[in-house]
Amino acid sequence: DSGVTQTPKHLITATGQRVTLRCSPRSGDLSVYWYQQSLDQGLQFLIQYYNGEERAKGNILERFSAQQFPDLHSELNLSSLELGDSALYFCASSVGGEEVWVATQYFGPGTRLLVL
Amino acid sequence: GQNIDQPTEMTATEGAIVQINCTYQTSGFNGLFWYQQHAGEAPTFLSYNVLDGLEEKGRFSSFLSRSKGYSYLLLKELQMKDSASYLCAAIDEDYQLIWGAGTKLIIKP
Repeated sequence: DSGVTQTPKHLITATGQRVTLRCSPRSGDLSVYWYQQSLDQGLQFLIQYYNGEERAKGNILERFSAQQFPDLHSELNLSSLELGDSALYFCASSVGGEEVWVATQYFGPGTRLLVL
Repeated sequence: GQNIDQPTEMTATEGAIVQINCTYQTSGFNGLFWYQQHAGEAPTFLSYNVLDGLEEKGRFSSFLSRSKGYSYLLLKELQMKDSASYLCAAIDEDYQLIWGAGTKLIIKP
């Protein structure tokens, strides 16, 4: 158990819909990262927040948005869903900062999204 | 651009040794991570290297050569449970992780 929690574990929805994925980081971690992993594909970095502020952006679609709240939990919002958005969505957290050990990311169990 | 290369798939025999290579090109470099990911599960942290040389952790060792932009993960006494994908990730100058696509390791009895 990494200490990172994600809800829900599974989500089935229809094309055109909007969903929200939630992540609680490990206690003490200030950074939260979101990743998308399609079947048999590598991890695609979406976005990072550090202490409530957006820190880095990857290949995140305009239909997707995220935020980190004052209690450091984060939500990833996916809208106008398409079939191709079906994937595992991972949240990871790290202490954050400029040392290797604080850059170590710990992953939550993921949310499996199926768009029909 | 930033790039991580690792083989797509490797096959090895139970009880043997396997070496998974990773080469990287990043804007600045602050270290390299290895993660293990079983199918459908979250990646889990295995090791990190900052300095040149070999770091040993039980059956797993990781090596780094900063001058060559090269790392490898060495797995000894392979067990069936080692069948997984192994992800290499380099830390760039902004302390962002640049991820490789992963190497799928298949262990045969």
